[in-house]
Amino acid sequence: DAGVTQSPTHLIKTRGQQVTLRCSPKSGHDTVSWYQQALGQGPQFIFQYYEEEERQRGNFPDRFSGHQFPNYSSELNVNALLLGDSALYLCASGARTAGLYEQYFGPGTRLTVT
Amino acid sequence: AQSVAQPEDQVNVAEGNPLTVKCTYSVSGNPYLFWYVQYPNRGLQFLLKYITGDNLVKGSYGFEAEFNKSQTSFHLKKPSALVSDSALYFCAVRVDGNNRLAFGKGNQVVVIP
Repeated sequence: DAGVTQSPTHLIKTRGQQVTLRCSPKSGHDTVSWYQQALGQGPQFIFQYYEEEERQRGNFPDRFSGHQFPNYSSELNVNALLLGDSALYLCASGARTAGLYEQYFGPGTRLTVT
Repeated sequence: AQSVAQPEDQVNVAEGNPLTVKCTYSVSGNPYLFWYVQYPNRGLQFLLKYITGDNLVKGSYGFEAEFNKSQTSFHLKKPSALVSDSALYFCAVRVDGNNRLAFGKGNQVVVIP
């Protein structure tokens, strides 16, 4: 059983560009959450998707947007990249029917903005 | 607001000695608490959770955590540390019913051979 997968592993972008990160949840999971982990910090919640809708959002600007597909996979889009967007982006999946008590994280995408 | 604090930046312990990583929480209502571990260039791996029930929670890789309501703490413990336990450990609390998590800043654990 594959766990949570994310692509790409690493990404280098220039300020002002746009980026799309992808996540496939663990089999049987229907909810995907995205977190940003800056260097030396704990992960910060960006938003959560369920039934192809954004259900909750953390304190992140509208430059951060997302999407969930019918197969539960998800994308995170960041527009007008800033240097401060450099971070490890983590995707977590869970099963809403199981109360989301256990969330499984993917390996992350390391984004570097130059 | 629901939050956790990890007061130490780094914990050094000799291999074979007991390991403790500290976490205190601040919540309204009953806390749902979690521990995750992160190895270099990897995502977070779930170790254990406290939802309700016994104050001593057993998790993966020989780790356990003790929930203490009076001290608002949820310390992670392992009776005998291994060099392979060297990693970054995060305490987290559930913020809402969607299981949005608020993480602490993390503790670097270094197990010395």
